[in-house]
Amino acid sequence: GDSVTQMEGPVTLSEEAFLTINCTYTATGYPSLFWYVQYPGEGLQLLLKATKADDKGSNKGFEATYRKETTSFHLEKGSVQVSDSAVYFCALSNAGGTSYGKLTFGQGTILTVHP
Amino acid sequence: EAQVTQNPRYLITVTGKKLTVTCSQNMNHEYMSWYRQDPGLGLRQIYYSMNVEVTDKGDVPEGYKVSRKEKRNFPLILESPSPNQTSLYFCASRVGEPYEQYFGPGTRLTVT
Repeated sequence: GDSVTQMEGPVTLSEEAFLTINCTYTATGYPSLFWYVQYPGEGLQLLLKATKADDKGSNKGFEATYRKETTSFHLEKGSVQVSDSAVYFCALSNAGGTSYGKLTFGQGTILTVHP
Repeated sequence: EAQVTQNPRYLITVTGKKLTVTCSQNMNHEYMSWYRQDPGLGLRQIYYSMNVEVTDKGDVPEGYKVSRKEKRNFPLILESPSPNQTSLYFCASRVGEPYEQYFGPGTRLTVT
């Protein structure tokens, strides 16, 4: 079945540092890819998405590019802020087979940014 | 405001005492689902519903029931909760392709 693997956390950075959170996936067909963010005590919010190969999703300074050749969707930000401290989830949704568009999540990466 | 609401937000209960977590969305979405979040495991789908009166099992359905009598509501029922159902639960509803989902604020359930 479909699966998503994220880099192990937690990740601790200083403010203005560069962020990369790795995400790779296994899926049949052509899934859509997402990054969700969960701030402390809150639900999940969609951060960005990409629906086909070579698409780049971007939002709030975060970016991720859908790389079909490497089955990856790494999240990057050039300069993190304390307010970016949260849990980040990579996910895919696959319309093929019996998935009916179910979201398959990675295990989540905790990011802490220090001033 | 478009949103998914869940109640209660926090619940502590004892083994075997039936409980219901409600979920409601005001976006007229046909697809709704329930997930549980556990450390190191991410979110896993419990049940989903494609429309009124159409529900099906997700990846971890054991010990849970759902119903979909109205489009906006999708309650999660634990007939006889056990400690291994202690978790953070999220309800979500979906717009069309590419299947991005909108999540509720979560319900933290503790079963002692």
